[in-house]
Amino acid sequence: DTGVSQDPRHKITKRGQNVTFRCDPISEHNRLYWYRQTLGQGPEFLTYFQNEAQLEKSRLLSDRFSAERPKGSFSTLEIQRTEQGDSAMYLCASSPAGGPSNQPQHFGDGTRLSIL
Amino acid sequence: QKEVEQNSGPLSVPEGAIASLNCTYSDRGSQSFFWYRQYSGKSPELIMFIYSNGDKEDGRFTAQLNKASQYVSLLIRDSQPSDSATYLCAVNPIFGTGTRLKVLA
Repeated sequence: DTGVSQDPRHKITKRGQNVTFRCDPISEHNRLYWYRQTLGQGPEFLTYFQNEAQLEKSRLLSDRFSAERPKGSFSTLEIQRTEQGDSAMYLCASSPAGGPSNQPQHFGDGTRLSIL
Repeated sequence: QKEVEQNSGPLSVPEGAIASLNCTYSDRGSQSFFWYRQYSGKSPELIMFIYSNGDKEDGRFTAQLNKASQYVSLLIRDSQPSDSATYLCAVNPIFGTGTRLKVLA
């Protein structure tokens, strides 16, 4: 169990640029979640996958955000035409699926995005 | 819109006291409830999960769930300065804003 891995750890970019983040979940976990967190707030749910299927996406999520998990393993989160308000920590989490109840999530260390 | 509400605090308790953290949620059909701890600059880490009404104890931590009242709580007994952190309530996949706990030595 190597834990959830996120890359890069930090990303600094200019407003208007596109950015892509990667998340590698714990290998036997088939659920993968993306969150955004700003200072003083809890993690804000963005989207989640079960295997390669994107099962839920926040209604608050701008269409500039897109996520994929093409083979049911790693996932990418892309933000197009970044804005100042996109500056945040982007957290990825994974969990096993199964049963009527959700399982606890295991978080990666996050990718901190700074928009200049 | 599913919501999870927490008092943002800070909640200050003296060392050795019991800290009581509370959370309410909006989705009556929710079945899974989690408490995470987050230290400043770190990612959330799981403390407890609870699926059934009643109490669940793990060491110094007790989670309490009342589905009729849509209420979840976390009790921390014998609080230590190292417990000072933000405690996040989650009703998967939605998180509350967290309650900041300060344990005073």
